[in-house]
Amino acid sequence: DAGVIQSPRHEVTEMGQEVTLRCKPISGHDYLFWYRQTMMRGLELLIYFNNNVPIDDSGMPEDRFSAKMPNASFSTLKIQPSEPRDSAVYFCASRLGVWPQHFGDGTRLSIL
Amino acid sequence: GDSVTQMEGPVTLSEEAFLTINCTYTATGYPSLFWYVQYPGEGLQLLLKATKADDKGSNKGFEATYRKETTSFHLEKGSVQVSDSAVYFCALSEVNSNYQLIWGAGTKLIIKP
Repeated sequence: DAGVIQSPRHEVTEMGQEVTLRCKPISGHDYLFWYRQTMMRGLELLIYFNNNVPIDDSGMPEDRFSAKMPNASFSTLKIQPSEPRDSAVYFCASRLGVWPQHFGDGTRLSIL
Repeated sequence: GDSVTQMEGPVTLSEEAFLTINCTYTATGYPSLFWYVQYPGEGLQLLLKATKADDKGSNKGFEATYRKETTSFHLEKGSVQVSDSAVYFCALSEVNSNYQLIWGAGTKLIIKP
């Protein structure tokens, strides 16, 4: 079974640039989550979708962050403009109904 | 609101030692409880779960028992290996929060040969 697939695995870019992170959830899963992990703040839920509809985006840090889910098999998290404090590992996870979440391997983002 | 508290790390043990990582929770309803493990450079993986009081979850030699009376879900393993070195996260979910995972802070485990 293919798990949650994230791309790219690593991204290094300069401050001010637009960054787009991508996620393909497990086929058939109806929930998709975006998390951010840092040493200082731990694991933070940014936003989650149910059936492609954003349900709770209260964890999105600010307007520079946006997330979309145009269909059941694809989601993006965009940062524009990026700042050094956005450097973190970003995880995507999906789940079916009330079952536990499955995580991707993450995107390690470095903003110089 | 719901919350999960884990023992602070890092926890450093020698190979073949007995492991306990403490986890306690507060919840308004009847949560399901989980342990996830994160190996270096990887995402979080579900290690084990328990859905009701007195359930025991087990996987890869790890065990945890859902104790409602003490609101705890401590992770144990009888003999750890170097390959168990990772960060371990305790979490809960319940219907009141639409089954969102409420996470503990994570406990880093270091096993020395």
